[in-house]
Amino acid sequence: QKEVEQNSGPLSVPEGAIASLNCTYSDRGSQSFFWYRQYSGKSPELIMFIYSNGDKEDGRFTAQLNKASQYVSLLIRDSQPSDSATYLCAAGGSQGNLIFGKGTKLSVKP
Amino acid sequence: GAVVSQHPSWVICKSGTSVKIECRSLDFQATTMFWYRQFPKQSLMLMATSNEGSKATYEQGVEKDKFLINHASLTLSTLTVTSAHPEDSSFYICSATRQGGARSKNEQFFGPGTRLTVL
Repeated sequence: QKEVEQNSGPLSVPEGAIASLNCTYSDRGSQSFFWYRQYSGKSPELIMFIYSNGDKEDGRFTAQLNKASQYVSLLIRDSQPSDSATYLCAAGGSQGNLIFGKGTKLSVKP
Repeated sequence: GAVVSQHPSWVICKSGTSVKIECRSLDFQATTMFWYRQFPKQSLMLMATSNEGSKATYEQGVEKDKFLINHASLTLSTLTVTSAHPEDSSFYICSATRQGGARSKNEQFFGPGTRLTVL
């Protein structure tokens, strides 16, 4: 069974701090990895995707991938209350599908 | 680019009726479309995968005769919930992958979702 595991949280961080979200995946054949953000009552929106080992930065967001450890993370710098949402990690499947984790709920306190 | 729309955005119906939800890729041709369901405070659950002109592939436990999926063109897929019951009340979300030019063949573009309430 191909799986993506995330800590469900909630993860609570103060405004301005760095939020660190983690994810592990079971399928070594996965080549691409995605972070989606989902606000309550809304559909997911893509934040970043990564397919090479190492870091990828986009504004306040940094995705990190370690294929040897089958580990993906998302760092959010200078966290804002508007970042409070559920963050979904997903691994690309061989059929063009995405295997989603259950999501980590992030709460940024003012 | 890569906008996906859904219609309607919300629907309330009586138990026993059928409801059709449309998913359209507005500015690209969708290789594959996916249908998800999400109950309150729960995670996304993939219901089925559909390719244009082919029968949909349903996930285990999803009744294909109850959730009819038609993918008639590269820009339109429909989900029909037949004989809906209160337990079918949920948030239904579609997504699509883009044919050609995508950064990753797995990247999915999500529609805004349809909230179904069955009385």
